[in-house]
Amino acid sequence: GDSVTQMEGPVTLSEEAFLTINCTYTATGYPSLFWYVQYPGEGLQLLLKATKADDKGSNKGFEATYRKETTSFHLEKGSVQVSDSAVYFCALGGSNDMRFGAGTRLTVKP
Amino acid sequence: EAGVTQFPSHSVIEKGQTVTLRCDPISGHDNLYWYRRVMGKEIKFLLHFVKESKQDESGMPNNRFLAERTGGTYSTLKVQPAELEDSGVYFCASSQDRGRSYEQYFGPGTRLTVT
Repeated sequence: GDSVTQMEGPVTLSEEAFLTINCTYTATGYPSLFWYVQYPGEGLQLLLKATKADDKGSNKGFEATYRKETTSFHLEKGSVQVSDSAVYFCALGGSNDMRFGAGTRLTVKP
Repeated sequence: EAGVTQFPSHSVIEKGQTVTLRCDPISGHDNLYWYRRVMGKEIKFLLHFVKESKQDESGMPNNRFLAERTGGTYSTLKVQPAELEDSGVYFCASSQDRGRSYEQYFGPGTRLTVT
């Protein structure tokens, strides 16, 4: 069945460092891909999404490109901030549900 | 616009007891979903309502779990009797439309601890 494999954490970076969180997927057809973020004490929030191959989703300085040839949707940010500390989830849109990765905890230190 | 709300935010119960979780979706959203994250692992789908009907309940772990959505508004998820392995964070989500392209809006989750 459809599934998502996400880079395991935790990831600890210094402020202004470059961030990459890897995400690959297995799916039939052409699903939409999402990155959700959960800040401490809050619920899941949509960070960005891409609905077809070669689409780039972007928000708050984060980017991810839907790569059909490598079945990937890696999350990147050029310069992280302390406020980016959170758990990041890669997800694949299904007919009735979303399939999530295990989540990657990011801690950014000043 | 109010987001998805869940109650309680945290529940601690003993093995064998009953717990009922509540979810209020965004007004007007016909689609309501329940998910669970156990012990820092991936978030797993439990079931999907369209209005008051269960569209897909393939993720429900066993018959100790009962979900309802009477009237097609809020939903409850009852665990009876609770077991230790039921501990985790239960998320509710809603969406106006369904399908692979549509974003789901998530609530803050209910953290359930079974001791």
